[in-house]
Amino acid sequence: DAEITQSPRHKITETGRQVTLACHQTWNHNNMFWYRQDLGHGLRLIHYSYGVQDTNKGEVSDGYSVSRSNTEDLPLTLESAASSQTSVYFCASSESFTREQFFGPGTRLTVL
Amino acid sequence: TQLLEQSPQFLSIQEGENLTVYCNSSSVFSSLQWYRQEPGEGPVLLVTVVTGGEVKKLKRLTFQFGDARKDSSLHITAAQPGDTGLYLCAADDYKLSFGAGTTVTVRA
Repeated sequence: DAEITQSPRHKITETGRQVTLACHQTWNHNNMFWYRQDLGHGLRLIHYSYGVQDTNKGEVSDGYSVSRSNTEDLPLTLESAASSQTSVYFCASSESFTREQFFGPGTRLTVL
Repeated sequence: TQLLEQSPQFLSIQEGENLTVYCNSSSVFSSLQWYRQEPGEGPVLLVTVVTGGEVKKLKRLTFQFGDARKDSSLHITAAQPGDTGLYLCAADDYKLSFGAGTTVTVRA
């Protein structure tokens, strides 16, 4: 069965460190997304990609970057982690932007 | 990005009771999606509504899209503990924009 996975599921890091969160999907979807979820804010879009070599900024992209070298993976990098980036991060993929999005199980990141 | 307001923020009811969750905006949506998220998991799509006035039913869940396509509601009849979760609406704004969600707790 097709799926979308994220790793690690939990991560604790220190302020200033670089962190990369992995996202892998086997749906063969061209569109992939990264969101962060915080209490009272719902899901906020960080970055998204239409396909290989394409990346775009979402509403809360400062301090984050992504790269898309193949269809299956969209890793999210925090260049220099800050305490404000403590959150739960979700990766998603979809056939098109307005179709159903399939979400991964999330990564809980704590920045101390 | 359009602002989606969901109400109430929290809802706790007894098993067998009915509940309604609302999703509102000042903007017109081309379509709207409802997701349910259980603790420790990602959201899962429940339904997509597209046409103004549309009503969709999914077992005990009834979804309605306002005539003006600015609001939507989710009604659960005879709620069960398995309905517990975070309910999120998401509007098609070329990319999806999510509301903050309503946390529903159904007590046995």
